[in-house]
Amino acid sequence: NAGVMQNPRHLVRRRGQEARLRCSPMKGHSHVYWYRQLPEEGLKFMVYLQKENIIDESGMPKERFSAEFPKEGPSILRIQQVVRGDSAAYFCASSPAADSGNTIYFGEGSWLTVV
Amino acid sequence: KQEVTQIPAALSVPEGENLVLNCSFTDSAIYNLQWFRQDPGKGLTSLLLIQSSQREQTSGRLNASLDKSSGRSTLYIAASQPGDSATYLCAVRPGGGADGLTFGKGTHLIIQP
Repeated sequence: NAGVMQNPRHLVRRRGQEARLRCSPMKGHSHVYWYRQLPEEGLKFMVYLQKENIIDESGMPKERFSAEFPKEGPSILRIQQVVRGDSAAYFCASSPAADSGNTIYFGEGSWLTVV
Repeated sequence: KQEVTQIPAALSVPEGENLVLNCSFTDSAIYNLQWFRQDPGKGLTSLLLIQSSQREQTSGRLNASLDKSSGRSTLYIAASQPGDSATYLCAVRPGGGADGLTFGKGTHLIIQP
């Protein structure tokens, strides 16, 4: 049973470009979470999605950031017009259900560097 | 707004020692608390999950306790080994279980051989 798969692992973008980060949850998991870890900071919740639905996006910046989890395929975190401050590690996590009290499983992360 | 604090921020001890990592949270209305381990450049590995109704969980040399009313959790590592060197993160899930975790900044642990 493969774990949470994220790609790319490392991504370099110039200021103003777009970054797309992908996350395939563990098999059987229908809930996906995205977190951001800035240098010297703790992990911060960004968004929680189920298939075709955004459940909670209270941690998402209001502009340039968007997330989706389509019926088929991976969840995608999209950052438009990246700036230096977007440089961070972006982690995806999945769980079977939100209210079951199950452990949340994290991917290895995608490290975005904006130059 | 929930805040999670971990003390100490860094710890370096000789191999073989027993040690305790501390985590405190400001809002006691949590669904569960989870301890993770993060190695440099890697993702998070779940170590122990304690439901709000539980007092402790054990796995091998690790024991985590939870005192929800006082907003505290501890992670006890027995007979530490160099392979335990990592950053240990504490995270709480809000009541209802539907929202994202709130993390502390972690304790960076070094076990000296």
